[in-house]
Amino acid sequence: GDSVTQTEGQVTVSESKSLIINCTYSTTSIAYPNLFWYVRYPGEGLQLLLKVITAGQKGSSRGFEATYNKETTSFHLQKASVQESDSAVYYCALGEGYVGDNSKLIWGLGTSLVVNP
Amino acid sequence: GPKVLQIPSHQIIDMGQMVTLNCDPVSNHLYFYWYKQILGQQMEFLVNFYNGKVMEKSKLFKDQFSVERPDGSYFTLKIQPTALEDSAVYFCASSLVLGDTQYFGPGTRLLVL
Repeated sequence: GDSVTQTEGQVTVSESKSLIINCTYSTTSIAYPNLFWYVRYPGEGLQLLLKVITAGQKGSSRGFEATYNKETTSFHLQKASVQESDSAVYYCALGEGYVGDNSKLIWGLGTSLVVNP
Repeated sequence: GPKVLQIPSHQIIDMGQMVTLNCDPVSNHLYFYWYKQILGQQMEFLVNFYNGKVMEKSKLFKDQFSVERPDGSYFTLKIQPTALEDSAVYFCASSLVLGDTQYFGPGTRLLVL
């Protein structure tokens, strides 16, 4: 079946430093799935950070970027300069489903980002 | 942004009893989803629902599980009877159309004793 693997556990970065959270995917059901990054800030629910539906394209939001790379089946999340307010849990996901794209989401384990002041 | 609410936030129940988890989706959304996350594991798809019917379900959606949205009110997940392995956080989501962004609730933490 389809799966998503992302940087495990906790990543600690100092404020203003750069960040990369790795995400790779494997799919047997869809050649080019839609790819997502969701984020859960402390005390809040999951919310969409960015999504990319076309291979080769880049998505961006709140200073974060991720490029859909079909050759390496990757969708790494990057930010040039993190802020303390970026501390949250980040989830990579792909959309699949036999009734239509994104009728269900396949999730990574989540990566907890801690930004130190 | 659009909000999805889930009630209750926590539920403790004895094995074998029935539990109903409630989801108040975004008001104009038409598609509804449940996901399950066991502590330390990935969130996993359970079921999606549209126009009064289950469209797709995973192998985690056991016969003891059922979903409904009577008269446009809460979208509910009922487990009857509950088992120990049902202990998890259950997330509800909704989307306007199939394939559109799914908006998630904060989750209901279910503990089956």
